[in-house]
Amino acid sequence: EPEVTQTPSHQVTQMGQEVILRCVPISNHLYFYWYRQILGQKVEFLVSFYNNEISEKSEIFDDQFSVERPDGSNFTLKIRSTKLEDSAMYFCASSEAANQETQYFGPGTRLLVL
Amino acid sequence: AQSVTQPDIHITVSEGASLELRCNYSYGATPYLFWYVQSPGQGLQLLLKYFSGDTLVQGIKGFEAEFKRSQSSFNLRKPSVHWSDAAEYFCAAGKAAGNKLTFGGGTRVLVKP
Repeated sequence: EPEVTQTPSHQVTQMGQEVILRCVPISNHLYFYWYRQILGQKVEFLVSFYNNEISEKSEIFDDQFSVERPDGSNFTLKIRSTKLEDSAMYFCASSEAANQETQYFGPGTRLLVL
Repeated sequence: AQSVTQPDIHITVSEGASLELRCNYSYGATPYLFWYVQSPGQGLQLLLKYFSGDTLVQGIKGFEAEFKRSQSSFNLRKPSVHWSDAAEYFCAAGKAAGNKLTFGGGTRVLVKP
């Protein structure tokens, strides 16, 4: 069964450094999303992406964040200058055009900012 | 504002016993509703979903959920719990196809032998 994959599974970085989290959505899916879950808190929506542009973003998704689909398979989340409070589990999700309602999630990348 | 509430943070159940996890939503109209499960170290796996039609929906792993419009609820049930059901369960809602999901806080299920 096709699934969403994410790399790396864990990342440790120093405050102020840039990180890029990578996702490979399910191959025929056209809608892509990033969510995050700070330890002990709810899963929160960050951004959705369709047709090479952001379709919706939350107030969390400020200028420090950006997303990109650099090729036909990858979908990335970049944090330009990480803060301590960016430490969280980041989930990528995708949905197909014909069944947009159902989002399929990857296993997550646990980011720790020191 | 749209919100999803899972009133129970932790539930402990004996193996073989029944399980019910509560979920309430607050949306302008009936949203799309989902239950996801997260096992330790794993991602979010879709258990089941409700869009419209029959208010009792069946999912994977023997789970079912019932949508009750009058109570703004979408509770998850399983008649007989297995030790492998120990995990965290998330209820989520979306207002339209392709839109963001709003998650509840999750319910952690512990299964006693």
